Amino acid sequence: EPEVTQTPSHQVTQMGQEVILRCVPISNHLYFYWYRQILGQKVEFLVSFYNNEISEKSEIFDDQFSVERPDGSNFTLKIRSTKLEDSAMYFCASREPGGQETQYFGPGTRLLVL
Amino acid sequence: GQSLEQPSEVTAVEGAIVQINCTYQTSGFYGLSWYQQHDGGAPTFLSYNGLDGLEETGRFSSFLSRSDSYGYLLLQELQMKDSASYFCAVRGTTDSWGKLQFGAGTQVVVTP
Repeated sequence: EPEVTQTPSHQVTQMGQEVILRCVPISNHLYFYWYRQILGQKVEFLVSFYNNEISEKSEIFDDQFSVERPDGSNFTLKIRSTKLEDSAMYFCASREPGGQETQYFGPGTRLLVL
Repeated sequence: GQSLEQPSEVTAVEGAIVQINCTYQTSGFYGLSWYQQHDGGAPTFLSYNGLDGLEETGRFSSFLSRSDSYGYLLLQELQMKDSASYFCAVRGTTDSWGKLQFGAGTQVVVTP
C-alpha cells in the first residue's frame, strides 16, 4: 500500500541553525500538508500546499518557515534559525484529489533544538 | 476560530464498548474526522462524517449531529491494540484546501 515517507526520523540541531525536513507524499496525491505536534499536545496545522504554491498557512507558519516541492516527488519544510520552541514532531500529510477527506500522514520527524 | 472538546482519557476493559464524544465550535463546518495515534506514531485516519448520522467501519463507528455541533467515535469489542490516542478533527467551510483543526485527543487505555 502506498505511504507517505519522511526523512530524517530524528534531527537534533543547535538553536539558530537551519533544518530541512523532507517528505515524499503518495504519488497521485495533489494536496500536501505539514503539521506539528509538541510532545504531549495536539496536532497543529502549519501549512497546506497545492498546485506548487501555499494555499493556506497558520499563524505558526511565520517567516522562519518555508515549503517547497523541488521536484515531482519531494515536499520539504525548511525552518530557518531554529528556536527552542520549534522542538516537536513534524508530520507531513497528503490527500488525493476528488473530494476524499482522508489525509495520509507520514511517520514524522522528531526535531530537537538545543 | 474553531475549538474542539473531547475527554482527556477513557479506560475500559477488553471486549467493552467506548464512546468518545467531541463537541466543536466553528464559524463554518464542513466535516468531522477521527484519527488514531499510537505512542510515537503518526495519526491514522479512522472515519469521516460530512452529514448527520452514523458511519460504520468494522468495529469503529462515528456519528455526527451538525445541529448539536457534536460527534462521537464508538469503539466496539475493544482490543489491547486499541490503546491509543484518538483525535477528532474539524474541517471548516473556509478551509478550502482541507486544513484540519485537531482536538486535544482522548487517551484510551484498554485493560485486560
